[in-house]
Amino acid sequence: KQEVTQIPAALSVPEGENLVLNCSFTDSAIYNLQWFRQDPGKGLTSLLLIQSSQREQTSGRLNASLDKSSGRSTLYIAASQPGDSATYLCAVTGNQFYFGTGTSLTVIP
Amino acid sequence: DADVTQTPRNRITKTGKRIMLECSQTKGHDRMYWYRQDPGLGLRLIYYSFDVKDINKGEISDGYSVSRQAQAKFSLSLESAIPNQTALYFCATSDQSRQARGTDTQYFGPGTRLTVL
Repeated sequence: KQEVTQIPAALSVPEGENLVLNCSFTDSAIYNLQWFRQDPGKGLTSLLLIQSSQREQTSGRLNASLDKSSGRSTLYIAASQPGDSATYLCAVTGNQFYFGTGTSLTVIP
Repeated sequence: DADVTQTPRNRITKTGKRIMLECSQTKGHDRMYWYRQDPGLGLRLIYYSFDVKDINKGEISDGYSVSRQAQAKFSLSLESAIPNQTALYFCATSDQSRQARGTDTQYFGPGTRLTVL
């Protein structure tokens, strides 16, 4: 069974800092990996999707990398802003869909 | 208007009651999913449907059933609710009808908070 782990569970940083969120998975037989953002009381919004054949994807201040062989992905957020405060989840697509437990990010003004 | 809607948004019920959560989408997607989210456990897949005639069990389907009434509608039922089914339930959709496997992004509804007393 696929297991997806996200470290750290919570992170607090001052505004303007660059940061990295980590995601690891146990089964490398995946089709893609996605990073989502979840705001309190709301659903999930897809940020980036990396196909299994890709190494990274970028969108604005966000960059996600994928190392399928080692079962790892990172989400890099540049120049963090208070509006980035949310929970970030990664999910892998294999024969089913598996989510990590998320990293709760707080950016302090 | 939201592309993926869920009703009700909040529900409190008692043990043993039958509950139906509904999901509708206007995105025209073929695939629909039901997840539950629990603190510390992340999202777990309950059921998914790749088209109207296709229903598949997810990781935690016991105690749940689903119905895909139309391409746009996917309902989740709890036949006899129990307290450990208290959770936040999400519906999601994705479209892979015209793309290679691995490129479909999931779009989520706002969630239904269910409390079973």
